[in-house]
Amino acid sequence: QKEVEQDPGPLSVPEGAIVSLNCTYSNSAFQYFMWYRQYSRKGPELLMYTYSSGNKEDGRFTAQVDKSSKYISLFIRDSQPSDSATYLCAMTGSGTSYGKLTFGQGTILTVHP
Amino acid sequence: DADVTQTPRNRITKTGKRIMLECSQTKGHDRMYWYRQDPGLGLRLIYYSFDVKDINKGEISDGYSVSRQAQAKFSLSLESAIPNQTALYFCATSDSHGTGFEQYFGPGTRLTVT
Repeated sequence: QKEVEQDPGPLSVPEGAIVSLNCTYSNSAFQYFMWYRQYSRKGPELLMYTYSSGNKEDGRFTAQVDKSSKYISLFIRDSQPSDSATYLCAMTGSGTSYGKLTFGQGTILTVHP
Repeated sequence: DADVTQTPRNRITKTGKRIMLECSQTKGHDRMYWYRQDPGLGLRLIYYSFDVKDINKGEISDGYSVSRQAQAKFSLSLESAIPNQTALYFCATSDSHGTGFEQYFGPGTRLTVT
């Protein structure tokens, strides 16, 4: 069983829709949770990160962490065609594993006009 | 992003050949990483280096070796390439003086082993 599970999709939504992307994980040592966005033929880029449980909002994007359920989410409001990309969750723990990321499989999102 | 560069960008090689992928960065970061990406498997860590004298195996290091020639350079070698090493390879960097986990990725190298 992989430490981090992410539904690969693909997910196709109309412009303006609310998108929900999710990951589950099994390692309770994970403390920092990230979402990366990867456009076609590009390297991933960090979208946002959260520490421990709670919500974090950045414009149209909201990241949510529920450590009790080992579940993280990324919500995209008013989705745009430019949001079409692969979204990867990633996480890391503290101590010696700090900074070493474990990624989910990535979800392919297409937002059509 | 020109801050992290990878060469070559595309490479086709034959089974059994030795190949080196190179990564350079101008971000001044001390930490560097090599990942491979396969469809449906996400990014998997091959090797990582937290400073010039520090090299660590990742999740899938068998068949690969690395060299950290300088703080800004980190190379990945396939000693004897095999077809299941066909993948997209990414180099990444992070700064231990920042969050430490915010990684910046290069544009990737598409490697095909025939």
